Amino acid sequence: GDSVIQMQGQVTLSENDFLFINCTYSTTGYPTLFWYVQYSGEGPQLLLQVTTANNKGSSRGFEATYDKGTTSFHLQKTSVQEIDSAVYYCAMREGNAGAKLTFGGGTRLTVRP
Amino acid sequence: AQTIHQWPVAEIKAVGSPLSLGCTIKGKSSPNLYWYWQATGGTLQQLFYSITVGQVESVVQLNLSASRPKDDQFILSTEKLLLSHSGFYLCAWSLRGAGSDYTFGSGTRLLVI
Repeated sequence: GDSVIQMQGQVTLSENDFLFINCTYSTTGYPTLFWYVQYSGEGPQLLLQVTTANNKGSSRGFEATYDKGTTSFHLQKTSVQEIDSAVYYCAMREGNAGAKLTFGGGTRLTVRP
Repeated sequence: AQTIHQWPVAEIKAVGSPLSLGCTIKGKSSPNLYWYWQATGGTLQQLFYSITVGQVESVVQLNLSASRPKDDQFILSTEKLLLSHSGFYLCAWSLRGAGSDYTFGSGTRLLVI
């Protein structure tokens, strides 16, 4: 079945540090890949959607890349701020209308001031 | 604009008692609807999905049931709660097209004692 593996469970950085989160996916179909962010006590919200291999998506200073060859996708930000502290999830949805959105395990990012 | 409303915001219930959680989506006709569950500190696990009124598919068996009595309403329920039902329940909707992202509600926090 479809699966998404998110490598880093917890990341602690200082303000202005570089952030890099990596996920790998497994599917027999043609997936669409997403990054969601979840702030404490809230539902997840869409941060980025990446639909084309080797192309970047970007939002709020975050960039997402997708490598079809290694079935991996990454989230990065050049300079994190304290307000970026949250849980980040990679997710995949296979390319048919009934397919479910499968989430990785999440990365809890803590940014120290 | 589409809105998604979940109720109640939080519940404390006794083991063995019944439960009913609700979700309403306004501003979108015939959306796909989903229920997700999140244990404290855990990832998001899809429980049910529905692509049309009256039809619900189960993804994970957790002694819960779901119904879609109206196009814009999704209900999650059980007759007897277990301690393991504690967690954060999230409703989400998506368009029917392949690759569409999900929009989540604010969630219901459930504590079973």
